[in-house]
Amino acid sequence: GQQLNQSPQSMFIQEGEDVSMNCTSSSIFNTWLWYKQDPGEGPVLLIALYKAGELTSNGRLTAQFGITRKDSFLNISASIPSDVGIYFCAGMNYGGSQGNLIFGKGTKLSVKP
Amino acid sequence: EAGVAQSPRYKIIEKRQSVAFWCNPISGHATLYWYQQILGQGPKLLIQFQNNGVVDDSQLPKDRFSAERLKGVDSTLKIQPAKLEDSAVYLCASTNRGGLGYTFGSGTRLTVV
Repeated sequence: GQQLNQSPQSMFIQEGEDVSMNCTSSSIFNTWLWYKQDPGEGPVLLIALYKAGELTSNGRLTAQFGITRKDSFLNISASIPSDVGIYFCAGMNYGGSQGNLIFGKGTKLSVKP
Repeated sequence: EAGVAQSPRYKIIEKRQSVAFWCNPISGHATLYWYQQILGQGPKLLIQFQNNGVVDDSQLPKDRFSAERLKGVDSTLKIQPAKLEDSAVYLCASTNRGGLGYTFGSGTRLTVV
């Protein structure tokens, strides 16, 4: 089945630093999503991307949908302690009755105050 | 708007026992998903319902897992008999926009000993 390669697996950074993580796929998606998951909770949607080349921001978060439709990246600027958590990319081919998400393995972010 | 409700939050059972999880989606959401999230990995789709019909159950281990959504609202996921490798968080999600606007519940953490 489809698989997503997400990197890095984990990051340990100082508060105030910028963070970058990315996701690549062996196949094409028409939608890329980025989620954050806190311990004991379900994933929460951060950014959704619908068009190849699209660059979208949500506060300190910026994500881009790769031109090839096989990759995406997420940047977090000026990290703060509450950014700690696991970030997941997910690809989806929206259309018809489908809509199930294919997730990456996650990037665990730790922020040192 | 109330979120996706799941119960129980935690469950510990012995292998070969049976277990059931319950999900109440957001009111009006026609599409409901069950995902399995093994520790250290991203969620993986088990089954997708559209109202009370199954859309995709290709990744559901049907020899031991079953799910139903009889009235197109609540859903239950059952495992019988459980194996050690079924230890995971079981996430329910719902949407009313053809796959977009997913909302995840907090999940049920299952430990099989």
